[in-house]
Amino acid sequence: AQTVTQSQPEMSVQEAETVTLSCTYDTSESDYYLFWYKQPPSRQMILVIRQEAYKQQNATENRFSVNFQKAAKSFSLKISDSQLGDAAMYFCAYRSANSGGGADGLTFGKGTHLIIQP
Amino acid sequence: SQTIHQWPATLVQPVGSPLSLECTVEGTSNPNLYWYRQAAGRGLQLLFYSVGIGQISSEVPQNLSASRPQDRQFILSSKKLLLSDSGFYLCAWSRDFTDTQYFGPGTRLTVL
Repeated sequence: AQTVTQSQPEMSVQEAETVTLSCTYDTSESDYYLFWYKQPPSRQMILVIRQEAYKQQNATENRFSVNFQKAAKSFSLKISDSQLGDAAMYFCAYRSANSGGGADGLTFGKGTHLIIQP
Repeated sequence: SQTIHQWPATLVQPVGSPLSLECTVEGTSNPNLYWYRQAAGRGLQLLFYSVGIGQISSEVPQNLSASRPQDRQFILSSKKLLLSDSGFYLCAWSRDFTDTQYFGPGTRLTVL
């Protein structure tokens, strides 16, 4: 079974600074998808960024980018120019590229609470 | 555009009472649908998923069940709630198994 580990329960960053959230995962598969979701106080899960394992290029979405290291099974999220609205829980998630047998569901890490200091 | 709805938003139920949570998706057809639970201080756990009407797969044995009576409707049920059923329940949808999963606003369930 796949596991996702987020080793930072909480991170704090000054507004306008850059912060990196860590995520590692364990899998025996070669084809999969990785995600970062944001959960603000409203608790709705919002997609931040998605990475396909077969793509070597790191995904970017405006101020959000990832550092995907497939061999190391590492998938970190970098937030540039942090804003107060970025304060939330951030979850790293894994999904197999194979359907069936529970592979359709996401495996989540336990999350990192990001605090933005004004 | 697609939207996903969940209701109720909040629910307080006594132990042993039944449960019915509803999730509906608009703006798409034949979506994959998912139920997750987020217990306090823990990550999300996949409970059920469905690839079509009447097709339900269970990930975790428990006293909960799921049904999909219509293409875009997914229901989470229980005949008798336990204290351990308390948590935040999230429904999600995707176009297919390769697509990103998009989440609804969630239901906060408290069992007393």
